[in-house]
Amino acid sequence: QKEVEQNSGPLSVPEGAIASLNCTYSDRGSQSFFWYRQYSGKSPELIMSIYSNGDKEDGRFTAQLNKASQYVSLLIRDSQPSDSATYLCAAPGFQKLVFGTGTRLLVSP
Amino acid sequence: DGGITQSPKYLFRKEGQNVTLSCEQNLNHDAMYWYRQDPGQGLRLIYYSQIVNDFQKGDIAEGYSVSREKKESFPLTVTSAQKNPTAFYLCASSPIPSSYNEQFFGPGTRLTVL
Repeated sequence: QKEVEQNSGPLSVPEGAIASLNCTYSDRGSQSFFWYRQYSGKSPELIMSIYSNGDKEDGRFTAQLNKASQYVSLLIRDSQPSDSATYLCAAPGFQKLVFGTGTRLLVSP
Repeated sequence: DGGITQSPKYLFRKEGQNVTLSCEQNLNHDAMYWYRQDPGQGLRLIYYSQIVNDFQKGDIAEGYSVSREKKESFPLTVTSAQKNPTAFYLCASSPIPSSYNEQFFGPGTRLTVL
C-alpha cells in the first residue's frame, strides 16, 4: 500500500514568517506530487504541482522535491493569517492519487 | 464558467434511506472520483471512473454505488448498507485518467444521518 505521510500539526507561525510543510512518500517511483489547501468546512484547492527534482516557485509558494529522500515540501513565504488552513500532500497511486492526512497551519497576526 | 458542481450542499438522511449525491463537471474531464472525509481525517477514495460506462471500487466502496452514463455526471448513492454515512463527500475530476495528473474538487456535500 503506497503511503503519504504528513505531520498533523498544528504548525504555528507568526505573520510574515516562512511556513515549512513537509511530506514523505513510500513509492520511490512516484513522478508527480501535488499540494492542496483546504480551509475549514471547504473542499481542497490545488495550489502547487511538482514533477521533477528541485524547486518550483509560484508567488509566495515554493514546492521542493527530493526524490532520493522521498521527500516533498511546501514553503510559504511572508505567511498571512489567510494562509491558515490544512495543507494536503498527494502522490500517485495505482490509477488514483494517495493523499496524506494533512498539516494544519495557523498563522497568527 | 467551467467547474465542478455538487448538490445538495447539505443533506440529511434518516436511518434506512438511500440518498443520491449529484456531481456534474463541464471541464470535459475524462476521470471522476468520489471521496469521503471524516472530521480530522484524510480523504478516502470511494469509487472512481476513467471513462463513461466504467467505474472501479476505491478503498471504501461498501455501502455505496455509482453510475457513469454521461461524461459530465458521476452520481453517488449512499445506501442503507453504509453503517456510518455521516461525513463530508467530495467529488473530483481529472483531465486524463492517470494518477500522474492533478485532480480538481467540487465544493462538497455534507451528509448527516438523523
